[in-house]
Amino acid sequence: GEDVEQSLFLSVREGDSSVINCTYTDSSSTYLYWYKQEPGAGLQLLTYIFSNMDMKQDQRLTVLLNKKDKHLSLRIADTQTGDSAIYFCADWGLNTGFQKLVFGTGTRLLVSP
Amino acid sequence: GAVVSQHPSWVICKSGTSVKIECRSLDFQATTMFWYRQFPKQSLMLMATSNEGSKATYEQGVEKDKFLINHASLTLSTLTVTSAHPEDSSFYICSAQDAKREGYTFGSGTRLTVV
Repeated sequence: GEDVEQSLFLSVREGDSSVINCTYTDSSSTYLYWYKQEPGAGLQLLTYIFSNMDMKQDQRLTVLLNKKDKHLSLRIADTQTGDSAIYFCADWGLNTGFQKLVFGTGTRLLVSP
Repeated sequence: GAVVSQHPSWVICKSGTSVKIECRSLDFQATTMFWYRQFPKQSLMLMATSNEGSKATYEQGVEKDKFLINHASLTLSTLTVTSAHPEDSSFYICSAQDAKREGYTFGSGTRLTVV
């Protein structure tokens, strides 16, 4: 089946930039998403990128997509302690005729003062 | 924006009983809703896709008779965990897509503990 992988943990200092990476295997990806999950809560959609785009910027968030290498990254500028959470990338594509969303394992971001 | 309400937020039940979890799209219609399960410190795993007016599509390895899904209307899908066992304890999250927006909207999740 399709696979989405992320590094499990990232630690940064407040004010630094954070870069969370994601790789995927689906060659039919249409959209790629970044979600944030705070403890005990559901997922919050942060941003998404269409598969024919290379970059998307949304305030402090920058998404880079290398479709050739199937690599996606999320950069958070001026990281704050409130950004501490788990970040999931997800791939939405047509898999065996059925569209579904496949999630990565999540990256736990810890921001220290 | 699109809002998905999931209820209850948490539930504790005895082994052998059944638990129903509701997922409602509050301000949009969702012909398709998704049910996920999250084990501690792991990613979300898609359990099934709930289709309004028809049978749900289950992922491989998910027991249809144990996890009953009903999508009775364009705004409501329910997941019933039947004859619950401690190993069913988990965090269950639903999501839906508003046809007018990009991305999926997730419910706040239900933490199920079976004792």
